[in-house]
Amino acid sequence: KNEVEQSPQNLTAQEGEFITINCSYSVGISALHWLQQHPGGGIVSLFMLSSGKKKHGRLIATINIQEKHSSLHITASHPRDSAVYICAVGAFSGSARQLTFGSGTQLTVLP
Amino acid sequence: NAGVTQTPKFQVLKTGQSMTLQCAQDMNHEYMSWYRQDPGMGLRLIHYSVGAGITDQGEVPNGYNVSRSTTEDFPLRLLSAAPSQTSVYFCASSPGQGHYEQYFGPGTRLTVT
Repeated sequence: KNEVEQSPQNLTAQEGEFITINCSYSVGISALHWLQQHPGGGIVSLFMLSSGKKKHGRLIATINIQEKHSSLHITASHPRDSAVYICAVGAFSGSARQLTFGSGTQLTVLP
Repeated sequence: NAGVTQTPKFQVLKTGQSMTLQCAQDMNHEYMSWYRQDPGMGLRLIHYSVGAGITDQGEVPNGYNVSRSTTEDFPLRLLSAAPSQTSVYFCASSPGQGHYEQYFGPGTRLTVT
C-alpha cells in the first residue's frame, strides 16, 4: 500500500507570500493529484500529473518521479487560497483509479 | 451539467438504523467511488465501481453496501448504523478510457448517535 505524506500539516502565510506544499509517496505511481477542499467542504481537482510540471494561474505543480516527490506552489497568495490542499496518488497495479490520499495541508492566508 | 450530486447534505441516525446515501453523475463517467473523510485522516475508499453492474470493495467496506444498476447512479447503503460511521462521505466519478481526473460531489455529513 502506498504511503502518502504531506508537509507541512498546517501553514499560515501573509497575503502575497510564495507558498510550497510538499507530498512524498513510497511506491511508484501512474498519476498524482492535487485537490483543494474549501471550508464549505467541497473538493475540487486542481492538477493531475504524471511527470514534469503544470501551471494554472498562480498555481504550479511539479513532480519528480525518481524522488517520489511532488510540490504544489502558490505564487502571490491571497486569503481566498485558504483551504485544505490534498495530495493523492494513483497506483500502477489494479484499478489505476484507486487513489491513496494524504491527510492534507491546512493553509491559512492572512490579509 | 450538474456534475456529481449527493443527497442528503446532512443526516443524523440512531445506532442500528439503516439508510441510503444517494450519488448521481450526469457526465457518463464509467468509474464511481465512495470515500469517507475523518478528522486527521486522508480520504479512504469504501467501495467503487468501474461500470454498471460491477462493484468492488475498497479499503474500509465493512458495514456498507453498494450497487450500480445504471451508469448515472451509485447509492451507498448503511446496513445498521454505528457511531464509528460518523463521518463525511464523498462520492466521486471519473471518465473511462485512461482519464483519471476525479470529480467530487459536495459531501454528506452523517452523525450516528
